[in-house]
Amino acid sequence: EVQLVESGGGLVQPGGSLRLSCAASGFTFSNYGMTWVRQAPGKGLEWVAIIDQDDSQKRNVDSVQGRFTISRDNAKNSLYLEMNSLRAEDTAMYYCARILLSSSWVFDYWGQGTLVTVSS
Amino acid sequence: DIQMTQSPSSLSASVGDRITITCRASQSISTYLNWYQQKPGKAPKVLIYAAASLYSGVPSRFSGSGSGTAFTLTISSLQPEDFAAYYCQQTYSTPWTFGQGTRVEIK
Repeated sequence: EVQLVESGGGLVQPGGSLRLSCAASGFTFSNYGMTWVRQAPGKGLEWVAIIDQDDSQKRNVDSVQGRFTISRDNAKNSLYLEMNSLRAEDTAMYYCARILLSSSWVFDYWGQGTLVTVSS
Repeated sequence: DIQMTQSPSSLSASVGDRITITCRASQSISTYLNWYQQKPGKAPKVLIYAAASLYSGVPSRFSGSGSGTAFTLTISSLQPEDFAAYYCQQTYSTPWTFGQGTRVEIK
């Protein structure tokens, strides 16, 4: 069974840092691209970042450019999101998801999410 | 960035109704369009990928169509478990973007 379990969320002050983790199991992690998606309280979904199978390509949304870094450790079956210079508008539930390369890039499995709250 | 616009933002319907949600892209995205369902407090789940392909295990009452800039998600006979929020998503070019969502409520 495919499982994705996020951790590392919490309350942080503006300007602070957090590192989110996503532990993957039930599939060959190194064969899949992975992504982070966030959802502010009561709002819609926002794609944050993607990393390909072997860490050779990364992309992110402009609003996190220079502040967030996506990475992975295929030996540990883990995905990460390093978040620096956090702002109030980064407050959200953060989901990791697996990318299925079919005729479109679809997020076929999602974790349960980890909540990040940026507040003083 | 490609903007995705869903309509309506919300709708009220009854069990057994046929409903259609529309998603429009600000530029052509071919069929790089996915649909997700999200229930309160839960992660999204994929329903449709590549505009019209039903994801494994998703009931056949869900269907998708469209290409270019106009897409639809149809539920042929609404079931109690279908009351949720629905999001379209384009994966034609980064930043991948979602529609604002459509909330389907019980009439």
